[in-house]
Amino acid sequence: DIQMTQSPSTLSASVGDRVTITCRASQSISSWLAWYQQKPGKAPKLLIYKASSLESGVPSRFSGSGSGTEFTLTISSLQPDDFATYYCQQYNSYPSLTFGGGTKVEIK
Amino acid sequence: EVQLVESGGGLVQPGGSLRLSCAASGFTFSSYWMSWVRQAPGKGLEWVANIKQDGSEKYYVDSVKGRFTISRDNAKNSLYLQMNSLRAEDTAVYYCARDSVAYGDYVSNFDYWGQGTLVTVSS
Repeated sequence: DIQMTQSPSTLSASVGDRVTITCRASQSISSWLAWYQQKPGKAPKLLIYKASSLESGVPSRFSGSGSGTEFTLTISSLQPDDFATYYCQQYNSYPSLTFGGGTKVEIK
Repeated sequence: EVQLVESGGGLVQPGGSLRLSCAASGFTFSSYWMSWVRQAPGKGLEWVANIKQDGSEKYYVDSVKGRFTISRDNAKNSLYLQMNSLRAEDTAVYYCARDSVAYGDYVSNFDYWGQGTLVTVSS
């Protein structure tokens, strides 16, 4: 099974900061990676798919990059609405899907 | 508007059974892979099971194989998860999720999620 490791697990940042979250796969997943945002008590929301494609309606301050085993989610200028937990998910090893452990973005 | 509404969660004793349902609306249900994803209290997301558009393929995470059964009724626009031999570690919010690609041959990522239903396994 492919393992997904996110870092850091928690990140403290201020409004306006540039934030980068890393997701590493235990083996190559090409570009078959998605990123989600989840707020407390809510369902996850798709932000990025195929490593770097922005989901419709998602602000352009979110971007994704990477391929193979290393991926990043970047928020160019953190906004108050962005304080949440972020998860990566691989879908290379069809039909088995795995999520990273999550990165909580907190207010500094 | 795409909507996914889960129901059927609740408190059940270890070894018991529960059937979750997910009512879908606002899209052509029969065109999409569907999945169940769970989240234990304070923990991360875990994919549980998925099912192809016509129900011909079903897959499960190892920890639920032989205990859980995913199914769908395209005439009723509904997804189900029959959970038997429940364990304390199955306690979680269970989400119904739609694959982002219509008519896809493979499951990918999830563009719509329900609000979740809480399953608590405890004596």
